[in-house]
Amino acid sequence: KNEVEQSPQNLTAQEGEFITINCSYSVGISALHWLQQHPGGGIVSLFMLSSGKKKHGRLIATINIQEKHSSLHITASHPRDSAVYICAVTPNTGNQFYFGTGTSLTVIP
Amino acid sequence: GAVVSQHPSWVICKSGTSVKIECRSLDFQATTMFWYRQFPKQSLMLMATSNEGSKATYEQGVEKDKFLINHASLTLSTLTVTSAHPEDSSFYICSAGTSGTYEQFFGPGTRLTVL
Repeated sequence: KNEVEQSPQNLTAQEGEFITINCSYSVGISALHWLQQHPGGGIVSLFMLSSGKKKHGRLIATINIQEKHSSLHITASHPRDSAVYICAVTPNTGNQFYFGTGTSLTVIP
Repeated sequence: GAVVSQHPSWVICKSGTSVKIECRSLDFQATTMFWYRQFPKQSLMLMATSNEGSKATYEQGVEKDKFLINHASLTLSTLTVTSAHPEDSSFYICSAGTSGTYEQFFGPGTRLTVL
């Protein structure tokens, strides 16, 4: 069983749509991370959360520690948002990441 | 922000040869570096964790004699794939972190193709 589950696996949206990607985890955590991987392979850290909500531009990340659930929202989506979004957690037992399987997002003009 | 580089970005080699991949933290000191491999359309799989000046900790199923990791300084870790075989062809990514934080900063990755 994977410690981190993401949904959906694949997502296609029209430009301008509001997008939500969900992440659930089953372990106690020190932090949750949302990462973005572009087709070339490079990975960028979007957010690190341990509680509440963070916003950066059109991206919003929320976490509910009691429910062990996090969401990543993209407002006014744009084709350049097309990428794989990965949820990862740092468990409170160590400093490694447990990764979700990723959500492949395609935004169509 | 923190920058991690990897070199080379891609490499093609013949079966049986060894390949060294470098991971450098450019603007911070990395007490811990992580090595991952990623197959197409799959998530990252942790291979090993290395702390500066000590032996790497390998994940179950990863052969430490085949994937040699050296973390000799706070800014450099190397992964050497020894006697590479076609099944070692993959995308290898490193990340770096500092003690006291939960963040990891990822390198751009190295695509290895073994013929």
